Amino acid sequence: DIQMTQSPSSLSASVGDRVTITCRASQSISSYLNWYQQKPGKAPKLLIYAASSLQSGVPSRFSGSGSGTDFTLTISSLQPEDFATYYCQQSYSLFTFGPGTKVDIK
Amino acid sequence: QLQLQESGSGLVKPSQTLSLTCAVSGGSISSGGYSWSWIRQPPGKGLEWIGYIYHSGSTYYNPSLKSRVTISVDRSKNQFSLKLSSVTAADTAVYYCARVLRSSYFDYWGQGTLVTVSS
Repeated sequence: DIQMTQSPSSLSASVGDRVTITCRASQSISSYLNWYQQKPGKAPKLLIYAASSLQSGVPSRFSGSGSGTDFTLTISSLQPEDFATYYCQQSYSLFTFGPGTKVDIK
Repeated sequence: QLQLQESGSGLVKPSQTLSLTCAVSGGSISSGGYSWSWIRQPPGKGLEWIGYIYHSGSTYYNPSLKSRVTISVDRSKNQFSLKLSSVTAADTAVYYCARVLRSSYFDYWGQGTLVTVSS
């Protein structure tokens, strides 16, 4: 089974900050890595697929990079609506989600 | 606009079978290229993939749940279903249904339904 880790598990940031979240796979997953945003009481929302492709309708301040085992999600300028929990998910072998990174207000 | 809506029992007794249905509207569940999946989230915890079914009917399950899970499709009703047997309190969670695109990512989700396992 492929295991996913994320760091940090939580972070505090201010509006306008640049935020980077890291996701690591236990083995190489090529670019089979996706990112989701989840707000309390809501279903997750797809942000990035195939490591770096921006889902339609998602603001361009979100970007993804990486391949193999190490990936990053970057929010270039944090907005009030971006405070949420972010999950990575691999699809190289079945599906596995990372444990999540909670982004809250500093 | 595609919409997914979960329904089913919100309270299940231990050792019984959890049954949920996901109704798909705004598109056909039989459309090629898509798969249909179940994902759950225990209260205050992260996401766990349960399994998915191809439009062809092939199924794939999380190895940790495989012995207890069945996912099926009812094309006449444009819906798919989840059955999870021998439930325990650890199966208490919000259960989401979702569409899988390119066998890779979840692009449409239902709103989720809370299932509590308790006597």
